[in-house]
Amino acid sequence: DTAVSQTPKYLVTQMGNDKSIKCEQNLGHDTMYWYKQDSKKFLKIMFSYNNKELIINETVPNRFSPKSPDKAHLNLHINSLELGDSAVYFCASSQVSIPEQYFGPGTRLTVT
Amino acid sequence: EDKVVQSPLSLVVHEGDTVTLNCSYEVTNFRSLLWYKQEKKAPTFLFMLTSSGIEKKSGRLSSILDKKELFSILNITATQTGDSAIYLCAVLTYKYIFGTGTRLKVLA
Repeated sequence: DTAVSQTPKYLVTQMGNDKSIKCEQNLGHDTMYWYKQDSKKFLKIMFSYNNKELIINETVPNRFSPKSPDKAHLNLHINSLELGDSAVYFCASSQVSIPEQYFGPGTRLTVT
Repeated sequence: EDKVVQSPLSLVVHEGDTVTLNCSYEVTNFRSLLWYKQEKKAPTFLFMLTSSGIEKKSGRLSSILDKKELFSILNITATQTGDSAIYLCAVLTYKYIFGTGTRLKVLA
């Protein structure tokens, strides 16, 4: 059983398009995250949700909009994609009382 | 501004060598420090350290935290080619702050 899953695994799209990435966790965790990993492998937090409520919103363009329909799901919608959005996006989850995070397999987004 | 710095950025060793990876931090509201290993895909959890001086150990890997000097080290003894990966250090404050990672390559 996959603990944290993301779809799609790969996404190739053109500038200006809108796309979504979905994330689901079956670990019963109460906190979920989106990270962006650039070409130099630097992992930076974008958003964090606890029990469906946004608790961390880093300096991310408002073209990025997360949505958490329930505790087990956290989706990321990106409007008007730009070349600089090309990266690997990781979803992760944890229990607020236990800092260990479980990461999904990542979605490699390429904007052409 | 909170920051986490890892060194070296990259390292090439031969099988059987011992390596020491460093993670130093300057943050407010430190809660814990975590080490992850990233091979081709997602980071996987190795250790979590909260208290100074208590070594965490798992097989050939061990780690320790010094909260006075604000750093942690990750040791890998008798390295194997399967240890080749990026090792990430993260500090938890009110959020996770990741370091730039150390890319380790172990040659047969």
